[in-house]
Amino acid sequence: DADVTQTPRNRITKTGKRIMLECSQTKGHDRMYWYRQDPGLGLRLIYYSFDVKDINKGEISDGYSVSRQAQAKFSLSLESAIPNQTALYFCATARTGDYGYTFGSGTRLTVV
Amino acid sequence: AQSVAQPEDQVNVAEGNPLTVKCTYSVSGNPYLFWYVQYPNRGLQFLLKYITGDNLVKGSYGFEAEFNKSQTSFHLKKPSALVSDSALYFCAVRDNHMDSNYQLIWGAGTKLIIKP
Repeated sequence: DADVTQTPRNRITKTGKRIMLECSQTKGHDRMYWYRQDPGLGLRLIYYSFDVKDINKGEISDGYSVSRQAQAKFSLSLESAIPNQTALYFCATARTGDYGYTFGSGTRLTVV
Repeated sequence: AQSVAQPEDQVNVAEGNPLTVKCTYSVSGNPYLFWYVQYPNRGLQFLLKYITGDNLVKGSYGFEAEFNKSQTSFHLKKPSALVSDSALYFCAVRDNHMDSNYQLIWGAGTKLIIKP
């Protein structure tokens, strides 16, 4: 099994719909992150969490919300999806004091 | 402002030749620098990092990177390219401001194509 699992892998949804992307990890890491990837823009941080009670906005949090249900689970919600949220979404984990991130395989989201 | 630049969108190299993927950075304080690789339909994988010490850092899959403080660069290199090295490569720098919670700042990525 993968260390960081994202579900679903692919999703097509309609404008205005609410959608949730899920991330779970078996690394035992305390820090979790949600990024979106757009061609030519690299990775942009949406939200991050250092533990269950600590949630922080990243550079592009508008239109998104998150929930850290447990140390191992961190979900991203799009309350009302719009076409410019079409992107590849990655979850990543890290341990405090370490410098490397472990990434999930990504969720490709298309909003039509 | 802290930033990372990868000046080449794409790098083409013949198999067996040396490869270089360029990265320059702007950061206050001592830089913490990273390279990640993304293969098609996969997440990013950690390749190597520079925190302190020797300017030449060795990483996974035969890659290495050279930290050059005077040129604010951290170029990724490999002496002999393989077709399987074809992927998207990302450079990242840690934001050393406490109020940013030391987040990573990412370059836009460089597509590396190795031709047989």
